[in-house]
Amino acid sequence: QVQLVQSGSEVKKPGSSVTVSCKASGGTFSAYAINWVRQAPAQGLEWMGRIIPIVDVANYAQRFQGRVTITADKSTATAYLELSSLRSEDTAVYYCARGVASTWWFDPWGQGTLVTVTS
Amino acid sequence: QSALTQPASVSGSPGQSITISCTGTSSDVGFYNLVSWYQQHPGKAPKLMIHEVNKRPSGVSDRFSGSKSGNTASLTISGLQAEDEADYYCCSYAGSSDGVFGTGTKVTV
Repeated sequence: QVQLVQSGSEVKKPGSSVTVSCKASGGTFSAYAINWVRQAPAQGLEWMGRIIPIVDVANYAQRFQGRVTITADKSTATAYLELSSLRSEDTAVYYCARGVASTWWFDPWGQGTLVTVTS
Repeated sequence: QSALTQPASVSGSPGQSITISCTGTSSDVGFYNLVSWYQQHPGKAPKLMIHEVNKRPSGVSDRFSGSKSGNTASLTISGLQAEDEADYYCCSYAGSSDGVFGTGTKVTV
C-alpha cells in the first residue's frame, strides 16, 4: 500500500522561502492527487492546494494564491510544496496526503513536517 | 472559504454514542456529497474515517458512521471506547477545486 514520507523539519527566517518534499512509495503516484494541508500549533487543519501529477495541474486555496507553488516529479514519485514570503504565522506542521482527483478525501497522510519561522 | 463549524468538544462515557456536527453552507456541505471525516491523535497525522458523507474505508470500525442533512454533516461514534479519544475534523469540497476543513472537535471519553 502507498506510503508518503516527508522531508525533515525546517527553521526559516521571515521573508524567506521553504520547500517541503513528499515521496510516495508502494503505489501508483501519477494517477492520484497529492494534497498539502497545514496545521498551526494547537490549531485546526487548513487545505493549501493539490497537484495531479498525471496532468501536471495544480490548484491552490485562494488565501495562498501567489505565495505557494506545488510541483511533482513523476520520475521520483515526489511532490513538493514551496511557500514563499514566510511570516511567523506560517509556523505549522505541513502534511501531504493522497487524494483521488474526482473526489475530495485524503488518505493516506505523510508524517508531517514542522516548519518554524523565526527571526 | 470560512471554516466549517464544529462543536469545540463532545464527551461521553464508554459504551455510549456521540454525534459530532459539521455545519457549512449551501455552497459546500449542502451542495456536494463530498464530506469526509478525520481522526487525529496528539502528535499524529490525521486518519481518514469517513468519505463521501457515509462511506467507511476498509479497516475503519463500523462504530463510525456518517450522515448529512441540508448544510450539516454528522459523525456518530457508537459504543464509545477509550481509543476514540482524539480530535475530529470534517472536510468538504467547496467547488472550483477548493475545499474547507471544520474547526475541529475534541472528543473526551
